[in-house]
Amino acid sequence: QVQLQESGPGLVRPSETLSLTCNVSGASVTGYYFSWIRQPPGKGLEWIGYVYHSGATNYSPSLKSRVTISVHKSKNQVSLQLTSVTATDTAVYYCGTYRGGYFDYLGQGTLVTVSS
Amino acid sequence: QSVLTQPPSLSGAPGQRVTISCTGSSSNIGGNYDVHWYQQLPGTAPKLLIYNDNNRPSGVSDRFSGSKSGTSASLAIAGLQAEDEADYYCQSFDSSLGSSVFGGGTKLTVL
Repeated sequence: QVQLQESGPGLVRPSETLSLTCNVSGASVTGYYFSWIRQPPGKGLEWIGYVYHSGATNYSPSLKSRVTISVHKSKNQVSLQLTSVTATDTAVYYCGTYRGGYFDYLGQGTLVTVSS
Repeated sequence: QSVLTQPPSLSGAPGQRVTISCTGSSSNIGGNYDVHWYQQLPGTAPKLLIYNDNNRPSGVSDRFSGSKSGTSASLAIAGLQAEDEADYYCQSFDSSLGSSVFGGGTKLTVL
């Protein structure tokens, strides 16, 4: 069974870049599409984007100008970078496998707070 | 405002059957794109409950079922139990946006 573990700084300053890593175990990153989803405190889910091991990506139109999702095959990891963050980017960020349009495995999530 | 519309809250007594609606448009549900449902228990990550309109992943109780008609989809929960108290989200693809979209979520309370 695929296991996913998100990690990264819990606090990011406004205007800086949010960087998260998703450690994948139980499967190779070359076998799946991977996606990031986020959830602001007390609010609903928002899809951020996905990546395939070939490098193909698709991003949410609302975040496209600020997002990069990458696969790191040698480390069996997936990463998320979100630039020029503001307080509205404060959320729990989840890494997930994306199969046939749905998210079948999700990590436990990591809270990122944007604050000075 | 979410592309897919769900009732913000719903409640039911133990043993009852409840239905959560998810209303979209011709660019998502009505465009014959699959609908998926997730259950999020308090303080935990969302978990896939129904995929491709009406399929249950291994391990999900058959008390949960999904359906779709026109521009709407529904999640039904039969024989409501206290452990079903959670937030439920629908998800699909929107061709106008070219991206996955979620409903705003429904908080289910078991009375």
